[in-house]
Amino acid sequence: KQEVTQIPAALSVPEGENLVLNCSFTDSAIYNLQWFRQDPGKGLTSLLLIQSSQREQTSGRLNASLDKSSGRSTLYIAASQPGDSATYLCAVKEATDSWGKLQFGAGTQVVVTP
Amino acid sequence: KAGVTQTPRYLIKTRGQQVTLSCSPISGHRSVSWYQQTPGQGLQFLFEYFSETQRNKGNFPGRFSGRQFSNSRSEMNVSTLELGDSALYLCASSLSAGQNTEAFFGQGTRLTVV
Repeated sequence: KQEVTQIPAALSVPEGENLVLNCSFTDSAIYNLQWFRQDPGKGLTSLLLIQSSQREQTSGRLNASLDKSSGRSTLYIAASQPGDSATYLCAVKEATDSWGKLQFGAGTQVVVTP
Repeated sequence: KAGVTQTPRYLIKTRGQQVTLSCSPISGHRSVSWYQQTPGQGLQFLFEYFSETQRNKGNFPGRFSGRQFSNSRSEMNVSTLELGDSALYLCASSLSAGQNTEAFFGQGTRLTVV
């Protein structure tokens, strides 16, 4: 059974510092991994999608890496801003499931202080 | 391009009642998935619909059901509500049910059962 873990559960950094968020999964048979951002009481905003054949994906200040064999992904946010404060979730789409089910981690709550 | 639209945004129901939530996917998207989010359990998959057929189902009791219409809009229904059904219900749409498609989420419906 796939398990997705995000450590740490919470993180506080001063503005300008780089953020490093970790995601690990137990079964490396995945189609892709997706990173999301969630603001309090709101829905999920898709940040990056990494296919299983890719090693990394970049969008602006965001960079996500994927090491499928070791079951890990890392989301880097450069030069953090107070507006980056949110909960970040990773989710995997398992290769044993031909449809769209995502398996989520519990998230990392990030606070960026001015 | 309009995003995923969920209605209503907030609901308060009494134990024993039933409730119907609605989700309109992004135009052109044919796959709709539903998730329940609670502080204790995180995000859990409910079910997925593609071409008006349920393709995948999570580990929830039969009180939870759904359907998809020919225009890809989806509804989920919860009958005989329990206090534990209080949660944020999130809908996600994807272009197809393929392996490498990106999921886009709505703002969710906050259901409170009293």
